[in-house]
Amino acid sequence: DAKTTQPNSMESNEEEPVHLPCNHSTISGTDYIHWYRQLPSQGPEYVIHGLTSNVNNRMASLAIAEDRKSSTLILHRATLRDAAVYYCILRDAGSSNTGKLIFGQGTTLQVKP
Amino acid sequence: DAGITQSPRYKITETGRQVTLMCHQTWSHSYMFWYRQDLGHGLRLIYYSAAADITDKGEVPDGYVVSRSKTENFPLTLESATRSQTSVYFCASRISGTDTQYFGPGTRLTVL
Repeated sequence: DAKTTQPNSMESNEEEPVHLPCNHSTISGTDYIHWYRQLPSQGPEYVIHGLTSNVNNRMASLAIAEDRKSSTLILHRATLRDAAVYYCILRDAGSSNTGKLIFGQGTTLQVKP
Repeated sequence: DAGITQSPRYKITETGRQVTLMCHQTWSHSYMFWYRQDLGHGLRLIYYSAAADITDKGEVPDGYVVSRSKTENFPLTLESATRSQTSVYFCASRISGTDTQYFGPGTRLTVL
């Protein structure tokens, strides 16, 4: 299974942009890049996903490197409610029918007021 | 309310007892998943199901049993609980043909 590498923790100031990096140098051509986040004492929630092109939605933007070996989740204006663990996940290429997700350690984002 | 629910939310049991964690979803999603999350770690897949009566093992299935007689329910049973099964358990579901998984609020299980 292709693996992702994320920093253990990051800090941000409220109302400033946050760039959360993820390295996935062994990504295969059909792996989608997914981001989930887990707020304290809650289950993970979907944030965004993409394959090759940059993606935007109401929660965040996903910037994918041209060689697809890295990606960056961008929160345009961090709020205190964005403090969470952010997981960068590659959809298991061997399980395209099941959609199994392999979670790593994630990045713990702290947002300071 | 529509969504995915888990019960109980908290459970304390003793070593050797049988425990069943319930998961119910109101969307009629085909796929359902059980994960466990240990303190300071990411989620690990225990079992998943593609449809009613179709289940398969994930990364850490030992000590667990699942069933899926109805699309909306996916119970997870610990036949003889051990202290190493103390964890937070999350259930999730997804629509066939999409990748997005929707997670329940979790069940915190303590085995004494």
